[in-house]
Amino acid sequence: AQSVAQPEDQVNVAEGNPLTVKCTYSVSGNPYLFWYVQYPNRGLQFLLKYITGDNLVKCSYGFEAEFNKSQTSFHLKKPSALVSDSALYFCAVRENSNYQLIWGAGTKLIIKP
Amino acid sequence: DGGITQSPKYLFRKEGQNVTLSCEQNLNHDAMYWYRQDPGQGLRLIYYSQIVNDFQKGDIAEGYSVSREKKESFPLTVTSAQKNPTAFYLCASSTPTGRDTGELFFGEGSRLTVL
Repeated sequence: AQSVAQPEDQVNVAEGNPLTVKCTYSVSGNPYLFWYVQYPNRGLQFLLKYITGDNLVKCSYGFEAEFNKSQTSFHLKKPSALVSDSALYFCAVRENSNYQLIWGAGTKLIIKP
Repeated sequence: DGGITQSPKYLFRKEGQNVTLSCEQNLNHDAMYWYRQDPGQGLRLIYYSQIVNDFQKGDIAEGYSVSREKKESFPLTVTSAQKNPTAFYLCASSTPTGRDTGELFFGEGSRLTVL
């Protein structure tokens, strides 16, 4: 069965420091991997995805994520955190043969000034 | 501006009442989805529709109903049969390409509270 794990309920980082939000997955086929962000009482916004190709994917907000097949991970990273990055981050996965996304429980990221 | 509009943003319901949450999109997307979000549980799929006049149950469809009479609209009814309806409800849509790659566009959500 497909599954996604975000092992940390909350991550605290000082502003300017690098941040990592962890995600591991389990699928039987090739994975499609996604990160979404949610600000309080708002809908989710797409951040980035890995479908195929380069294992390192980036988005315009300065975030990047690396697909690691051997470790079945897709951790979200940013070199220098901003207070405005504080939000709830969701990792999601699907197999290439199945349209339904499976979601992680979310990680609350708190960036302290 | 193109997007997904959910209404109402906040809704209070007495036990035993049905309520309908509205979801409208002007993105010309074929696929639409309803998710339920509870603290610490991520998103759970209630219903989805890939085309007008067709929809499928998701993982937690019991106590909910939907319709897809128009491409732009996918309302969700929370019935009295739903035992624990207090939650944040999110509507999303995607293009056929998005459906294939998983990129979803979300509304702002509707928070339902049962009194």
